[in-house]
This record gives sequence, structure tokens and C-alpha cells, in this order.
Amino acid sequence: GAVVSQHPSRVICKSGTSVKIECRSLDFQATTMFWYRQFPKQSLMLMATSNEGSKATYEQGVEKDKFLINHASLTLSTLTVTSAHPEDSSFYICSAPLSFGSGYTFGSGTRLTVV
Amino acid sequence: AQSVAQPEDQVNVAEGNPLTVKCTYSVSGNPYLFWYVQYPNRGLQFLLKYITGDNLVKGSYGFEAEFNKSQTSFHLKKPSALVSDSALYFCAVRDMTSGGYNKLIFGAGTRLAVHP
Repeated sequence: GAVVSQHPSRVICKSGTSVKIECRSLDFQATTMFWYRQFPKQSLMLMATSNEGSKATYEQGVEKDKFLINHASLTLSTLTVTSAHPEDSSFYICSAPLSFGSGYTFGSGTRLTVV
Repeated sequence: AQSVAQPEDQVNVAEGNPLTVKCTYSVSGNPYLFWYVQYPNRGLQFLLKYITGDNLVKGSYGFEAEFNKSQTSFHLKKPSALVSDSALYFCAVRDMTSGGYNKLIFGAGTRLAVHP
């Protein structure tokens, strides 16, 4: 089946540094990628939607300059957390829609800890 | 506005007993409904979906869900719970207002705890 590979699974970084999270579609082309953030014991909150070759669409309240999204190819979308702070510590998950009506596939998530 | 509600933060059930995790939705038009399961520090795993057709949908790991249009519900069920079913369960509906590859709107999640 369609698989999205997300890396890294865990990352610890220092405050002020940037972290890049990658999501690759392994056996299909993902023209769209959804990026979610999940706080402990809470639901998934959509941060932004990336589309190959165009600018990402950010949800209200999400800082575009802080969470940089790039979707330069049909198989790779990246989320870069710039100048990370402890409050950015969270679980980030990407998801790609499959052919219409087939549903969605999710990456395995990235646990970001900013110290 | 389109939304999904999971009224229970946690459901406790004894192993071998039937389980139900509740979900209600509010959408305009016909809903596309999904159930996902999440284990700690993992992504979401697909359980089942309702697009059209039979109201009773059978999915992975022995789970099923019943679509009830009049009650706008899509409760997840399993006849006999296993300890390994203990996880976080999310109900979701496709946001049909966006067009094309619409995003999913998630419920708050329900933690299922199955006790031996």
C-alpha cells in the first residue's frame, strides 16, 4: 500500500536552532501533504497544507516564518522548524491523501524536543 | 461548520467484552468518515472508512463501525476486546468544503483501555 516515510522519528535540539522534518511518499506521488501537530494526549491539529510546486497554505494562528514548508517534488515534503523554542516541542505528523475516496496515509511521526 | 465529536475521553473495558467508541459528526452533504488508531509515539493507522454503501463497515483487526445518518453517528465497535487494542482512537471526517484533496477534521480522540 501507499506509504509515507517520515524522518527523523525523534530529534532533540537546542533552543535557537532549526530542525527539518522530511516526509517521502515511497510508492506513489503525493501532490498534497498535510502537516499536523499533536500535543500530549490531544488531537491532531492541522498546521498547513503543502502542494507540490506552490506555496503552502497555513492554518490560522500558525506562523509561516517559523514553520517553513517546502514541497519541491511529488515525493518529498519538508517542514522546517526555525529558531526552535521549548514550546515548539511536540509530535509532528505528515499525511498524504490517496486517490479520491481511498483515504489518507500517515507518516510515523516526529517527536521534537527543544532544550 | 464541519466537526467531529468524541464524547468520551476514555473508555475502559474488560478483555473479552465488547467495546464501543462513540463518534458523532456534523457536515454538509454526505460524509466521508474514518477511524484511525494511534499507539504511543507512532503515526496513525487506518482502521476503516465509510464513503457510501452498507451502513455497517468492517475494518482491520476485527473492528467495525456503523454509520447512522439519522443520528449523525459513526461508532466504532468490536465484539471482543483485546488488551492489545489499548490505544488512542480518532474519528475523522473529510472536510468537503475545501475541494479536491480535502483535509481531515479529527475528533479529540478517545483513549481505550482494555484490562485483563
